[in-house]
Order: sequence, then structure tokens, then C-alpha cells
Amino acid sequence: IAGITQAPTSQILAAGRRMTLRCTQDMRHNAMYWYRQDLGLGLRLIHYSNTAGTTGKGEVPDGYSVSRANTDDFPLTLASAVPSQTSVYFCASSRDGNYGYTFGSGTRLTVV
Amino acid sequence: GENVEQHPSTLSVQEGDSAVIKCTYSDSASNYFPWYKQELGKRPQLIIDIRSNVGEKKDQRIAVTLNKTAKHFSLHITETQPEDSAVYFCAASQEAGGTSYGKLTFGQGTILTVHP
Repeated sequence: IAGITQAPTSQILAAGRRMTLRCTQDMRHNAMYWYRQDLGLGLRLIHYSNTAGTTGKGEVPDGYSVSRANTDDFPLTLASAVPSQTSVYFCASSRDGNYGYTFGSGTRLTVV
Repeated sequence: GENVEQHPSTLSVQEGDSAVIKCTYSDSASNYFPWYKQELGKRPQLIIDIRSNVGEKKDQRIAVTLNKTAKHFSLHITETQPEDSAVYFCAASQEAGGTSYGKLTFGQGTILTVHP
């Protein structure tokens, strides 16, 4: 692993199903973030974590949950997917809040 | 919370011309302003950033200016090249302390097209 890795790259998901998007970084960054990207809306923050063991809600948290059991991993879970969650999801990390983000390559999720 | 507005949404220029993208923000406590470039199908990548203790920063053909009084900041690209074509995003956050610590709020993006 070099940097930040997301999986899967893309997924088609039936509405009502549960899905976990994975994010792993090997840079020992303290802070991690999940954003969704929708055309015309830019990048909107879903959840964040400033350090292992802590998480917080962003601008659009409803329908999503996260955990931060260790420094490297920050999975995003959709408990029961809905079509409005169709989006491109980016995970990002930062050494701490004083530095810019490094983004993962994204997960394109389609909920049908 | 913070709100970042970005203009224009699309920008078309001829190769060699300059391009300017402007952003305004609402939270006077914001003090970190990065710019990201996103090529089609790729991840956003940091191209330049500025902190509130400076008014301008340059890196080769790219410069960013900040006016904290007016709460706006701008990206300037000179001598544009076709490979500059991409979506550009501005963002704002607080560096430390406060409820917005480390959390970037992004503008809506500008699609820049540089015609050869």
C-alpha cells in the first residue's frame, strides 16, 4: 500500500442492502474523512475522524456510519442503501487539521 | 457552518491566456484555503494552498490571493496549457480549534477548458 487505498472501485447495489466502503492509509495520518461528490454540488463531508477512536458528523451524515478502530482504517457503512446515495465517494486523510488532504481514488456507487 | 461559493462554474480559455477562479467564504474563523485539481475520472489533488497570515502565494504558473477582509480568495493560472484542463475546487477550513478544525468545506467546482 502506498498512500491511501479505497475499495471497491465501483459497485452496483440493490436498494435496501447494506454496504461497507473500505479506506486504508499507510501514512500514519491522524485525520481521515469521507466525502461524496455529486455533479454541481462539489464535495460534501459525510463523516470525519480527527484521531483513532473518535468520529464526528459532517454536512450530510444521514444514512451513513463510520468507525475508527485504528489509525489506518476508516470504513464507511450504508446500513440500508437508497438511490439518493448514488454518488462517487472519496476517502481522504491529513496528518492533522493543519495540512491539506490526500485523497483516495474513489468508489463509484450506484444504488438501484 | 462554513459556506464556500465558487465562480464561474465553467471557464473556457485559449492556450496561453490566463484563467482566474474566485471563491468567497462565510466563516471569518477560516484560515486555511487550499485549491484542488481533479482530472476526469481521477482523485482531487492539492495544487496550492494559502494560510491567513499571507496575502499571496505563487508556484510557477499558479498563484493564489487572499483577501480576509472581504472573505474571498482566488486562483490565477497564467500561460494556460491544454493539460490545465480539469475541474478546480477551492476549499476552506480552520487550522486549529473551533468546530470546523481540519474539516474542509469545498466550493462547487469550476470546469476549466483550455483550447489549443
